[in-house]
Amino acid sequence: EADIYQTPRYLVIGTGKKITLECSQTMGHDKMYWYQQDPGMELHLIHYSYGVNSTEKGDLSSESTVSRIRTEHFPLTLESARPSHTSQYLCASSGDFPKGAFFGQGTRLTVV
Amino acid sequence: KNQVEQSPQSLIILEGKNCTLQCNYTVSPFSNLRWYKQDTGRGPVSLTIMTFSENTKSNGRYTATLDADTKQSSLHITASQLSDSASYICVVSESNYQLIWGAGTKLIIKP
Repeated sequence: EADIYQTPRYLVIGTGKKITLECSQTMGHDKMYWYQQDPGMELHLIHYSYGVNSTEKGDLSSESTVSRIRTEHFPLTLESARPSHTSQYLCASSGDFPKGAFFGQGTRLTVV
Repeated sequence: KNQVEQSPQSLIILEGKNCTLQCNYTVSPFSNLRWYKQDTGRGPVSLTIMTFSENTKSNGRYTATLDADTKQSSLHITASQLSDSASYICVVSESNYQLIWGAGTKLIIKP
């Protein structure tokens, strides 16, 4: 069982609100990722981190921001939520090769 | 441009039948290739991971193959079960940091 946790699992929020999606892992992994996935569609990388104080934007442009102050914690923040942000957000972490990436259960966000 | 293409996009088979999913990639330099299973609404779960030197790797009823010369991989599922219904995603690693994802194959197993 992978030790990576996302909260909340489900979130319905009004337009304009600020939200933070939490992601924590207890495996000591340096590399962490945030993916966005619409229902039935492929995963798109929106942010990744190589380690503490390291964050990079992914392939898909996103209005969200991330921070990596501690190894185990990689929160994602939307300053002003919009209906276009409605999606599932998946957090993942990976250690050194050959271990694969471990994924959290995801946060399903609905902005109304 | 680094790309991973999967086929078919979707597949419906009867319970108990075998099937093969394909993955072609243009990622270079190649580090490793992984197959993930993703149930609806859940995070992806790793099935296999293969390096350049590995041709075949099995995980129960799942067998993955890799041809690094032609840059092709396949995932073969034997004696399919209803619980195999999911999306199967091929992920190629350019390095230990960058993961390039395919769009996935949606597999539906019918009784």
